[in-house]
Amino acid sequence: AQTVTQSQPEMSVQEAETVTLSCTYDTSESDYYLFWYKQPPSRQMILVIRQEAYKQQNATENRFSVNFQKAAKSFSLKISDSQLGDAAMYFCAYRSVQYGGATNKLIFGTGTLLAVQP
Amino acid sequence: DTGVSQDPRHKITKRGQNVTFRCDPISEHNRLYWYRQTLGQGPEFLTYFQNEAQLEKSRLLSDRFSAERPKGSFSTLEIQRTEQGDSAMYLCASSRTAKGTKNIQYFGAGTRLSVL
Repeated sequence: AQTVTQSQPEMSVQEAETVTLSCTYDTSESDYYLFWYKQPPSRQMILVIRQEAYKQQNATENRFSVNFQKAAKSFSLKISDSQLGDAAMYFCAYRSVQYGGATNKLIFGTGTLLAVQP
Repeated sequence: DTGVSQDPRHKITKRGQNVTFRCDPISEHNRLYWYRQTLGQGPEFLTYFQNEAQLEKSRLLSDRFSAERPKGSFSTLEIQRTEQGDSAMYLCASSRTAKGTKNIQYFGAGTRLSVL
């Protein structure tokens, strides 16, 4: 079974600085998707960034980028020029690629609570 | 696109009572998912539907839990004879599997259940 591990329960960053959130996962599959979701307090979870395992190029979305190391099974999120609105719980998630019967569910880590200091 | 809507946002009930939650997915999303999130944990998958068919259920979904999506639109999650261990945030998500959509799951704000 696949597992996702986030070893940093809490992180803090100064406004305008850069922070990296760590995520490792375990799987025997060769093709899959990885995600970072953001969950602000009392608000719905939103997708930050998505990576397809067969793509070697790291995904980027504006100030958000990932460092995907497939051999190491590592998927870290870098937030550049941190803003107060980035403060939230961040979840790393894994999903199998759907080939005939593969599950469609997301498998989440335990999350990293990011605080942004003004 | 009004987003995934969940009702109620909060539910307080006494142990042993039945509760029902509703989820309205984004229109034209054919897949709908239920997750449960307890304090300090990431969401855990409960079940998912493609249209009206329930295609997968987690072992977390005991016999006291039942989910339906009768017309392939909204879904309900019912918990019978609630226990204190059922206290959690119940999240609903939906996605569309059409070509080019990437099948991204969009989440609602959740229903927070407290069992006294």
